[in-house]
Amino acid sequence: DAGVIQSPRHEVTEMGQEVTLRCKPISGHNSLFWYRQTMMRGLELLIYFNNNVPIDDSGMPEDRFSAKMPNASFSTLKIQPSEPRDSAVYFCASSQLSYEQYFGPGTRLTVT
Amino acid sequence: GQQLNQSPQSMFIQEGEDVSMNCTSSSIFNTWLWYKQDPGEGPVLLIALYKAGELTSNGRLTAQFGITRKDSFLNISASIPSDVGIYFCAGRGPSIGAQKLVFGQGTRLTINP
Repeated sequence: DAGVIQSPRHEVTEMGQEVTLRCKPISGHNSLFWYRQTMMRGLELLIYFNNNVPIDDSGMPEDRFSAKMPNASFSTLKIQPSEPRDSAVYFCASSQLSYEQYFGPGTRLTVT
Repeated sequence: GQQLNQSPQSMFIQEGEDVSMNCTSSSIFNTWLWYKQDPGEGPVLLIALYKAGELTSNGRLTAQFGITRKDSFLNISASIPSDVGIYFCAGRGPSIGAQKLVFGQGTRLTINP
């Protein structure tokens, strides 16, 4: 079975550009989570959805970040405009009626 | 907010040795999870614990949900080179959103052959 799929795996962009990260959760999972991982702050939850509805976005750093889940099999995390301090690895995870979250391979974002 | 203290931060051991790491919380947790992350990959779920006192094994890995509900332990027996990586604990507490997990800072395991 396919796990969580994320694209792109690597993204290099210039400051001020828009960045869109994509995630396909495991089929049948009803919850989706976006995390950011840095050396300084570790793994931070940005936002999560239940049944495509955003439940908690208290971890979203600021208005430059937005996330959508238009259907059960797709979610995006957008940063506009991007800044160098946004450089990190962004993970998507999904779960099905449990607390066991399954992570994708991540997108390594570098903003120059 | 809730925080997890994971220790040790790093371990350097010889192949074949046993490994122990733990996580402690300042408040009660209802669920403990242990993950392993390899370089360039996402965390992979190793063991999930749901009841205080629960002891669960997955091959050479054994994890326990502390009786006080404020700690959890992970042991690896007879370590092998593929055990190298970063191990994270994660917990879910009653005072936060139902599905939100709090992650420890990670334990980096290095094995000398």
